[in-house]
Amino acid sequence: DAGVIQSPRHEVTEMGQEVTLRCKPISGHNSLFWYRQTMMRGLELLIYFNNNVPIDDSGMPEDRFSAKMPNASFSTLKIQPSEPRDSAVYFCASRLSGGVGSPLHFGNGTRLTVT
Amino acid sequence: SQQGEEDPQALSIQEGENATMNCSYKTSINNLQWYRQNSGRGLVHLILIRSNEREKHSGRLRVTLDTSKKSSSLLITASRAADTASYFCATDGGGSEKLVFGKGTKLTVNP
Repeated sequence: DAGVIQSPRHEVTEMGQEVTLRCKPISGHNSLFWYRQTMMRGLELLIYFNNNVPIDDSGMPEDRFSAKMPNASFSTLKIQPSEPRDSAVYFCASRLSGGVGSPLHFGNGTRLTVT
Repeated sequence: SQQGEEDPQALSIQEGENATMNCSYKTSINNLQWYRQNSGRGLVHLILIRSNEREKHSGRLRVTLDTSKKSSSLLITASRAADTASYFCATDGGGSEKLVFGKGTKLTVNP
């Protein structure tokens, strides 16, 4: 199993540009989560999907952030326009929902730097 | 709001010693999980303990849970340099699909 795959691994962009982060969950997993990690705030849950449907997006910081899951094997997190305070490591994680406490499987993250 | 809060924030020990990390949380839970993160990588699941369990073992890992105090501890016995990583607890807020993580304990094991 290839695990959760995220791309790109690193992204450097200028303030005001659009940024798109991509995630391929583990095949067969039906829940997908986007987290953001910074030194100051730790790991923050941005949004999660069950069966491709967004369930809770209360962690999305602003309207500049949007996420989609067009099918079971692909999700995107878009920031438009980007700002320096968006600099962080963004993680995608997936799991098989329905089991009590099924573990999250994380990708290796996208390190975003907005200058 | 942050549910899990680990302490200490950082811990430095010698190889062969035991390492203990603590986690406190605020609301009721169905289960609590511990994860490990190596530098530059994603988190990896270590162990899960259910709310009706008090202690659980997995290899050199021992986890305890005290629901009356809303706290958990992770013990790594006979530590190795390869255990150097950050360790996070995560709670489900009473059965929610959402897992909320603490800020982690950074463990350094010196050879």
